[in-house]
Amino acid sequence: NAGVMQNPRHLVRRRGQEARLRCSPMKGHSHVYWYRQLPEEGLKFMVYLQKENIIDESGMPKERFSAEFPKEGPSILRIQQVVRGDSAAYFCASSPRVVSASGRGRSGELFFGEGSRLTVL
Amino acid sequence: AQSVTQPDIHITVSEGASLELRCNYSYGATPYLFWYVQSPGQGLQLLLKYFSGDTLVQGIKGFEAEFKRSQSSFNLRKPSVHWSDAAEYFCAVGAPTNAGKSTFGDGTTLTVKP
Repeated sequence: NAGVMQNPRHLVRRRGQEARLRCSPMKGHSHVYWYRQLPEEGLKFMVYLQKENIIDESGMPKERFSAEFPKEGPSILRIQQVVRGDSAAYFCASSPRVVSASGRGRSGELFFGEGSRLTVL
Repeated sequence: AQSVTQPDIHITVSEGASLELRCNYSYGATPYLFWYVQSPGQGLQLLLKYFSGDTLVQGIKGFEAEFKRSQSSFNLRKPSVHWSDAAEYFCAVGAPTNAGKSTFGDGTTLTVKP
């Protein structure tokens, strides 16, 4: 798990500011997933990216949230004009391929980072 | 739509006692099922996963889980709990085509008494 690097580990923002969370996947992994964990809840899927492509953003709020995974550099989850309800732990996970029960991805699994904890004052 | 229910929010067991954490899922076809463990302030670590084959799955740290299609359950078990097993446990279900996009239960917190 230490292979997926997230920073910052803790981030404090005031309402209206921007938050940028970074995720460097494990070496050789080209698939990145972002999840959000609200207090006392499980993880909720937000977005799935491959290099330079957003594959599935069905879990992303329609406004203020965006994600990217450029050809070079880490994946970034960006939250504009943060509100108190954005306070949560944001986890990134990576995989070398689609985690699929069929075909080549049959044995795939997700490797999670240690999360970035955002607090909005 | 897929969903996961972990009926027990908090479980306390004595060290050395057996453990069973419950997980019920809802999914239209055969799902890809996972159990993860999360220690405080840490990320999630995969304990075991199931897609097909033997319905009793062995994982790391002495854990196992049994898939019961008729009950839509995937309960996690360990015969003898160690103090280091205290953590939060999450059951998750994923579509076979992209199980990375998983639906997680709300978790069960395990406390181990000495």
